[in-house]
Amino acid sequence: DAKTTQPTSMDCAEGRAANLPCNHSTISGNEYVYWYRQIHSQGPQYIIHGLKNNETNEMASLIITEDRKSSTLILPHATLRDTAVYYCIVRTIYNTDKLIFGTGTRLQVFP
Amino acid sequence: ETGVTQTPRHLVMGMTNKKSLKCEQHLGHNAMYWYKQSAKKPLELMFVYSLEERVENNSVPSRFSPECPNSSHLFLHLHTLQPEDSALYLCASSQDQVNYGYTFGSGTRLTVV
Repeated sequence: DAKTTQPTSMDCAEGRAANLPCNHSTISGNEYVYWYRQIHSQGPQYIIHGLKNNETNEMASLIITEDRKSSTLILPHATLRDTAVYYCIVRTIYNTDKLIFGTGTRLQVFP
Repeated sequence: ETGVTQTPRHLVMGMTNKKSLKCEQHLGHNAMYWYKQSAKKPLELMFVYSLEERVENNSVPSRFSPECPNSSHLFLHLHTLQPEDSALYLCASSQDQVNYGYTFGSGTRLTVV
């Protein structure tokens, strides 16, 4: 399984873009990048996923480098409610390959 | 509400008690999961059910016993737990076990005394 490396914590001012990096240098061709987040004492919430193209949805954008060895999750206008632990996970999409969470990045959005 | 409902939200039980955690999903998903999250630790996958059949048991002690009577309901039966089993227990569901779009419940905060 490809491993991911994320900073332990980050700060972001409210209203600014939050850019959360993730390194996955051993990613293989059939592995996707998934992002989930967990707000304190709640279950994780799916944000976005991608294979090699940049992706955008109503919550965030995912930028994957051309060599696919790293990616960045972008929250374009962070709010206080975006304070959470963000998990970058690299897995295949196959049904035998379960979602395994690491330690993530704790994002603190401040006023 | 995420569409995955867990009850109770909080549970305190003695080491000799028997209790059950309940999870119900209204999303039409066909796979359900139990995760455990201990303090300061990552989530640990415990059990996976697909089409009501258990497909994975990640070396979980037998004092935890899952049950999936239908595709909408998942239980975790607990007996003779230890204090180190105190944790947040999270239920999730997905369609066809694909890794995007897992939907989690809010969890049951379990304290074993």
